[in-house]
Amino acid sequence: GAVVSQHPSRVICKSGTSVKIECRSLDFQATTMFWYRQFPKQSLMLMATSNEGSKATYEQGVEKDKFLINHASLTLSTLTVTSAHPEDSSFYICSARSTSGRPFYEQYFGPGTRLTVT
Amino acid sequence: AQSVTQLDSQVPVFEEAPVELRCNYSSSVSVYLFWYVQYPNQGLQLLLKYLSGSTLVESINGFEAEFNKSQTSFHLRKPSVHISDTAEYFCAVSADYGQNFVFGPGTRLSVLP
Repeated sequence: GAVVSQHPSRVICKSGTSVKIECRSLDFQATTMFWYRQFPKQSLMLMATSNEGSKATYEQGVEKDKFLINHASLTLSTLTVTSAHPEDSSFYICSARSTSGRPFYEQYFGPGTRLTVT
Repeated sequence: AQSVTQLDSQVPVFEEAPVELRCNYSSSVSVYLFWYVQYPNQGLQLLLKYLSGSTLVESINGFEAEFNKSQTSFHLRKPSVHISDTAEYFCAVSADYGQNFVFGPGTRLSVLP
């Protein structure tokens, strides 16, 4: 149980276009989902936290108009990179936390999406 | 605010040898500590955690970590590594119940035959 999927696993897009990444909790309901960005050979940096049905909370330095996050249901959150540029190329990882009442550290990670902007 | 330091970016070790991956943290409050493992092109998997109680925690695949409050450390150890342990290992802290993790920069463990 507690599987999180991401789609697509890899995406290549042209500079100036937008790309959407989906994060799904397959066998549990996730009230909270997190989006991370990981540069090559570096650690994960939290970009934003999204709670189902409310606006996402962005970390300092993350442009909310560029990285649009929608958490419309208890099993799906999407990250849209708008007007992508080569510097947005990175590995994006989501994680999901189960509904309230579960330990906070039970955060399940997706396999990641590698975005390449040409 | 919390921060995590993993001094060794890469650790090569021969199969069946022991290994220690170092993790130090800084925080003005009590923390919860975690080790995650990331295999190539995959997400993170929780390896073990320290929340309270015994300072020595173990995973199901032979890893262990010891919380040392005075040295603000949470080093990861395994007495005998396997080729399959080759991966990136991240130490993480969380100081707020229900809040976010701060990850260290990671240590790449390479197990050589």
